Amino acid sequence: QSVLTQPASVSGSPGQSITISCTGTSSDIGGYNYVSWYQQHPGKAPKVMIYDVTNRPSGVSNRFSGSKSGNTASLTISGLQAEDEADYYCSSYTSSSTYVFGTGTKVTVL
Amino acid sequence: EVQLVESGGGLVQPGGSLRLSCAASGFTFSSYWMHWVRQAPGKGLVWVSRINTDGKTINYADSVKGRFTISRDNAKNTLYLQMNSLRVEDTAVYYCAGVPASWFDPWGQGTLVTVSS
Repeated sequence: QSVLTQPASVSGSPGQSITISCTGTSSDIGGYNYVSWYQQHPGKAPKVMIYDVTNRPSGVSNRFSGSKSGNTASLTISGLQAEDEADYYCSSYTSSSTYVFGTGTKVTVL
Repeated sequence: EVQLVESGGGLVQPGGSLRLSCAASGFTFSSYWMHWVRQAPGKGLVWVSRINTDGKTINYADSVKGRFTISRDNAKNTLYLQMNSLRVEDTAVYYCAGVPASWFDPWGQGTLVTVSS
């Protein structure tokens, strides 16, 4: 089972927007609208930020948004804040009835 | 309060066994598919296994198939992971997570499994 490919790191200044990509295949991201994104601070459990490609759970800031095109999903954080500094992971359901996570992206607020 | 609490982690020698538990409270456990996800020290999240609401549909990652067994007891609101033939590369924090539809929420705090001689 392969993993989804994310950039190792992305950085931005406070107030800027950044986008994290997540590339898979037609057997996962491209085949289902079951892409979710997770934020993880050091030593903490992951927290869902986006589910089913574009949906935001209640309580998650509207600065977080998701999209998908073909086999690539994206997470955009607008109005970057210091508290957004964390690791971010994408996830997708797969045609093998399993799930797969991305390689993870470290977001740094400059 | 919605809560998942893992237990059972620890130090085990290669080839050994360990049973993890995950106690759920604050939500309807029996209505959720339940999953195990692990994270090796300093590494990313890796999906391990899932079980459906009545325990009859189960899937595993190739890396643990034949060695790990997932199960649940809805009467006790508890999820389990029996891990046999443990390898050094199984060393990780193991999280349990509930999946209401297609996303992971809630998550437990994790329990550390260390496989070393």
